[in-house]
Amino acid sequence: QKEVEQDPGPLSVPEGAIVSLNCTYSNSAFQYFMWYRQYSRKGPELLMYTYSSGNKEDGRFTAQVDKSSKYISLFIRDSQPSDSATYLCAMSDTNAGKSTFGDGTTLTVKP
Amino acid sequence: GAGVSQTPSNKVTEKGKYVELRCDPISGHTALYWYRQSLGQGPEFLIYFQGTGAADDSGLPNDRFFAVRPEGSVSTLKIQRTERGDSAVYLCASSLKGSYTFGSGTRLTVV
Repeated sequence: QKEVEQDPGPLSVPEGAIVSLNCTYSNSAFQYFMWYRQYSRKGPELLMYTYSSGNKEDGRFTAQVDKSSKYISLFIRDSQPSDSATYLCAMSDTNAGKSTFGDGTTLTVKP
Repeated sequence: GAGVSQTPSNKVTEKGKYVELRCDPISGHTALYWYRQSLGQGPEFLIYFQGTGAADDSGLPNDRFFAVRPEGSVSTLKIQRTERGDSAVYLCASSLKGSYTFGSGTRLTVV
């Protein structure tokens, strides 16, 4: 079993929908939690960075971390076709740059 | 430069050959990371530099892989005696104070 599990999808939603993306993990030492967006043939782009448990909001994006359940989520409100990409969760114990990634969820937002 | 630059963008090499992959980080970013991403998977950590020294090389798969960063800026990932299983996208990221930026990667194909 992988240290970080992520549903690969694919996930297809209509424009304007609320999207929920999730990851579970097994390493209780993880304390840095990140969400990246990756377009085809591009590098990952950092969207959200959270330390420890709680919620963080940035525009249309909300990240939630529940360390007791070892479960993290990313919510995208008012989804747009430009949000179509692969979303990767990543987490780390001591150095957020040295992360363990999930395998990504592919999202398509249809106009 | 404005972003992390990786060259070449694509590299095709024959099995057994030596290759070098270059990463130009964002100016002033002291930390630099190398990752490897296989098709359909998340990035996998290889090595981390803080300044000129390799602070953590625990992700390098074997002694055919080596990386340097002699002046604390540009880094080169070197792979000896390439194998078909080395085919992947090699990503570089640089960071400063919680900001992590990836390059678009070098797509290595070993034939």
